[in-house]
This record gives sequence, C-alpha cells and structure tokens, in this order.
Amino acid sequence: LAKTTQPISMDSYEGQEVNITCSHNNIATNDYITWYQQFPSQGPRFIIQGYKTKVTNEVASLFIPADRKSSTLSLPRVSLSDTAVYYCLVVLGMDTGRRALTFGSGTRLQVQP
Amino acid sequence: GAVVSQHPSWVICKSGTSVKIECRSLDFQATTMFWYRQFPKQSLMLMATSNEGSKATYEQGVEKDKFLINHASLTLSTLTVTSAHPEDSSFYICSARGYRADNSPLHFGNGTRLTVT
Repeated sequence: LAKTTQPISMDSYEGQEVNITCSHNNIATNDYITWYQQFPSQGPRFIIQGYKTKVTNEVASLFIPADRKSSTLSLPRVSLSDTAVYYCLVVLGMDTGRRALTFGSGTRLQVQP
Repeated sequence: GAVVSQHPSWVICKSGTSVKIECRSLDFQATTMFWYRQFPKQSLMLMATSNEGSKATYEQGVEKDKFLINHASLTLSTLTVTSAHPEDSSFYICSARGYRADNSPLHFGNGTRLTVT
C-alpha cells in the first residue's frame, strides 16, 4: 500500500510563511488531498482539502500541481500556536476495492519566537 | 462545523479487564467511522473501519476479537478493548464521515488515553 511522504520535521520563526510538501505518487483519479493539524493528546483537526490547482481558506492555502503527485500546504505568518504535527491524507484505492485512510508520518513543525 | 465527541478522554484499567470507548457524531449522521491507535511520537495507525449496521473491517494485524467495534446507529460507534494488557496502552482516536462520498473530510474525536496497569 503506497503512502504519503512528508518531511519529518521543520523549524520556523514567528511571522514567517511555512510550506510543507507531501508526496503521493499513487494518487488515484478520484482522490482528494486533505491536510490535518494535530496537537499533543488531541485528535487531528481538519485544515484544508483540495483536488487540483489552488485552494485557500482562512487559515491556509493548498497548492496542487497538474500531475497531483504532490501537494504543498502553505501557512502564512505562523505563530507559536502553529507548533504541531501536520498530516496530509489521501484516500488510496486498494486492490480489493476497499478504501483505507492511512496517515503518513506527518511533519512536526516547531515555531520559534 | 461537524463535531465528533469521544468518551472517556482518559481511562486507567487493570490488566485483564475490558474498556469501552464511545464515539458520537453530534451534529451529523456518520455512515462510516474509523478507529485509530497512536503511540507516542508516531503517526495514527488505522485499526478498523465500520459502516453503520454492518461488521467492521479490520486492518491486517488487528485482532477483531480483542478490539470489538459496534456501529449500531448513525451517530454512535464503540470500541471495546477486551482483556486489556499493558501493551494495549495507547491513544485511541475515532473519526467519522458524514456523507456518502468517499472524499468528504474526516472529523476526529479528541481521543482516549488508555493506560493499562
């Protein structure tokens, strides 16, 4: 089962823009790309979802190239409270037809003052 | 937005006992619920997928007789850890999907910290 690949960790400073890229080479035609944020001892929180090109909401932007084999989550002007683990999730079709939702390793973002 | 409530948020039990964790969708009907387990500093591992009114589908390596899942209604799924042992200590997280389309986002509960002594 193919899975997503992200950098294990990233460091940034307050006020900077952070871009986290996720590789998903085996994405299927009907799959969407979803990003989640997780703080310690909490469940993941939905950030943004997209299919292609660019999606923007009040907290982030999501860039997806034409081949859709990767995606980039962009967090504008991060603050200390953005320190968390970020996961990209793609619903991958399986040979049996059952679609499993499998998380990759996630990216641990540390924002410094 | 969609809210998923998980209860209890933490539980301590003795080895050999069983523990039930509840997952409720508060403002939508969850046709599919997923149960994950997460060990410290690791990613979420999918344990099983349950659809309302049918048997759960377990991931490889997850014992269905040990982790009993019931999804009897569109708003409630339960995970029972039977005959718990210290190695079952983990953070258990449920998630729910409220629409028929496979690509609708998952909404997660806040997790249950299980400690088996």
